[in-house]
Amino acid sequence: QVRLQESGPGLVKPSETLSLTCTVSGGSISTYYWSWIRQPPGKGLEWIGYFYYSGSTNYNPSLKSRVTISVDTSKNQVSLRLSSVTAADTAVYYCARDRSPLYDNYGLDVWGQGTTVTVSS
Amino acid sequence: QSVLTQPPSASGTPGQRVTISCSGSSSNIGSNYVYWYQQLPGTAPKLLIYKNNQRPSGVPDRFSGSKSGTSASLAISGLRSEDEADYYCAAWDDSLSGVWVFGGGTKLTVL
Repeated sequence: QVRLQESGPGLVKPSETLSLTCTVSGGSISTYYWSWIRQPPGKGLEWIGYFYYSGSTNYNPSLKSRVTISVDTSKNQVSLRLSSVTAADTAVYYCARDRSPLYDNYGLDVWGQGTTVTVSS
Repeated sequence: QSVLTQPPSASGTPGQRVTISCSGSSSNIGSNYVYWYQQLPGTAPKLLIYKNNQRPSGVPDRFSGSKSGTSASLAISGLRSEDEADYYCAAWDDSLSGVWVFGGGTKLTVL
């Protein structure tokens, strides 16, 4: 049973960089794609981007200039960095196992519980 | 503004059948599978339907999905109070080297 757990600072100052980690347990990170998704308070889901252990990445065009997703296979962790944050980046951030058409079409089938990040001075 | 279009709300009484629609375009729903996610209050989204109409293990057969052209629907039969949640459709979009796109979500109220 694969489980995902997000972690990181709950409060980030405007213009700084948001850094989150997703720890994968119960399975290897070197098999699937991994995505980050966020949900602003009271709003819908927004896909941020994915990373494949081979180094393949793709990001939401609206965030591409500020986002970096990476993987640490030795720790079985996926990381998200979002630079130059503003209040609009306040959201619950989720990591998910990504089985898109690039893999086998089973969708975002396993999600972490999410971590809340507030951008405020 | 979400890429996929869903009604913001839906409602039904216990035992009823409710459907939620999702509209997209040729680059997403028209050429890729549709997925549905259920988000109970205060929890993470959960995969409900994959590949248009397939249910993951553990999802009751009261939930069903369908797709036609650039639109899709989620149907919930035998509505229960525990079905009250937000429902999101999603699809892979072939534009921009492949991205996930979501609907804005539909809040289902069980009256």
